[in-house]
Amino acid sequence: EDQVTQSPEALRLQEGESSSLNCSYTVSGLRGLFWYRQDPGKGPEFLFTLYSAGEEKEKERLKATLTKKESFLHITAPKPEDSATYLCAVQPPNYGGATNKLIFGTGTLLAVQP
Amino acid sequence: GAGVSQSPRYKVAKRGQDVALRCDPISGHVSLFWYQQALGQGPEFLTYFQNEAQLDKSGLPSDRFFAERPEGSVSTLKIQRTQQEDSAVYLCASSLYRGRETQYFGPGTRLLVL
Repeated sequence: EDQVTQSPEALRLQEGESSSLNCSYTVSGLRGLFWYRQDPGKGPEFLFTLYSAGEEKEKERLKATLTKKESFLHITAPKPEDSATYLCAVQPPNYGGATNKLIFGTGTLLAVQP
Repeated sequence: GAGVSQSPRYKVAKRGQDVALRCDPISGHVSLFWYQQALGQGPEFLTYFQNEAQLDKSGLPSDRFFAERPEGSVSTLKIQRTQQEDSAVYLCASSLYRGRETQYFGPGTRLLVL
């Protein structure tokens, strides 16, 4: 069964304290891995897409990496405005075009204190 | 519009009532998705449209849930005879084509069934 597990469930950091969030997955034939940010009361906001092992993408203080079994979201020198829930999602094979769904993890709730 | 819009943003229903949730995708986007997000959980896939064709409805939890996209743009998710367990945030997402492109999410409709 395709599955996505995120850890930790919650993370509290001091401003400037770098850390990493983990997303491990079990899916055969991964078509893509997506990172989203979700603020309370809002829909998920797209951050990154990774397609193959070894790929890396960066945006401001965030850097996403991908291996064959997991992805990391590295946060360098975070600021309070980085506080949010970070969601990881995988796109499994589409079985001839019949589906393009995403399978999400439960997210990591990040709190950055000033 | 610039992004995916959903209405209403909040809906309170009495158990047994029927509700209809609307999604306006990004103009020109071929694919449209509905997800259900319970409190503290990641979004879970409900159904997928490519233009007006509903290609995957494997995530719909029961036959009380029905979705349509008759003209290949606006979509409506209908829940008949609502139950308390239907209380959740219903998210709509759209993507440009029908492959592994990014899915862009709307703000969601928060449904509370009393």
